[in-house]
Amino acid sequence: KAGVTQTPRYLIKTRGQQVTLSCSPISGHRSVSWYQQTPGQGLQFLFEYFSETQRNKGNFPGRFSGRQFSNSRSEMNVSTLELGDSALYLCASSPPLAGPGETQYFGPGTRLLVL
Amino acid sequence: GDSVTQMEGPVTLSEEAFLTINCTYTATGYPSLFWYVQYPGEGLQLLLKATKADDKGSNKGFEATYRKETTSFHLEKGSVQVSDSAVYFCALSPNTGFQKLVFGTGTRLLVSP
Repeated sequence: KAGVTQTPRYLIKTRGQQVTLSCSPISGHRSVSWYQQTPGQGLQFLFEYFSETQRNKGNFPGRFSGRQFSNSRSEMNVSTLELGDSALYLCASSPPLAGPGETQYFGPGTRLLVL
Repeated sequence: GDSVTQMEGPVTLSEEAFLTINCTYTATGYPSLFWYVQYPGEGLQLLLKATKADDKGSNKGFEATYRKETTSFHLEKGSVQVSDSAVYFCALSPNTGFQKLVFGTGTRLLVSP
């Protein structure tokens, strides 16, 4: 089975712009979660989508949003980019009956640099 | 809120040395516990997990036991290899039914020949 894929892998933007990142989960997985990884804050949960519905959201401003499509692919969007948004954005997917203790499978990430 | 504390790195060892990376957690209820590993330029890979107290997770020579009484999930390996050099993250998943991981800060392991 193919793993979680994320596009693009690298991205450079300037302050004030917006960006959209894409994540394709493992075939058959319906839960997709997003995380931000920075040297200062570490790994932080952004949000989770399941069957096109946001089930859980982390403590991030409204500039960070996401959505999930009927084929379980997910996108996250960051509007009005700030320098502090520079980070590695990781996507993870979980199997269909994902419950407590289910493994999340991570993609390689999208590295975003905001200038 | 839920949190994970793990030892600061880097941890520097010689090949074949014994490894321990400490991890403690704070959570309500009974979370599931994980160790993930990140190699340079890559995403996270699950190393092992435990979903209830006294469970032992193991993989590739690594082990960790879910200790509820000490709220700990320390990672151990009897004999490390150069190829084990990576960053190791301890994480918990609250028992809410949602897929959310709370991570520790990560511990970099450097193994020299």
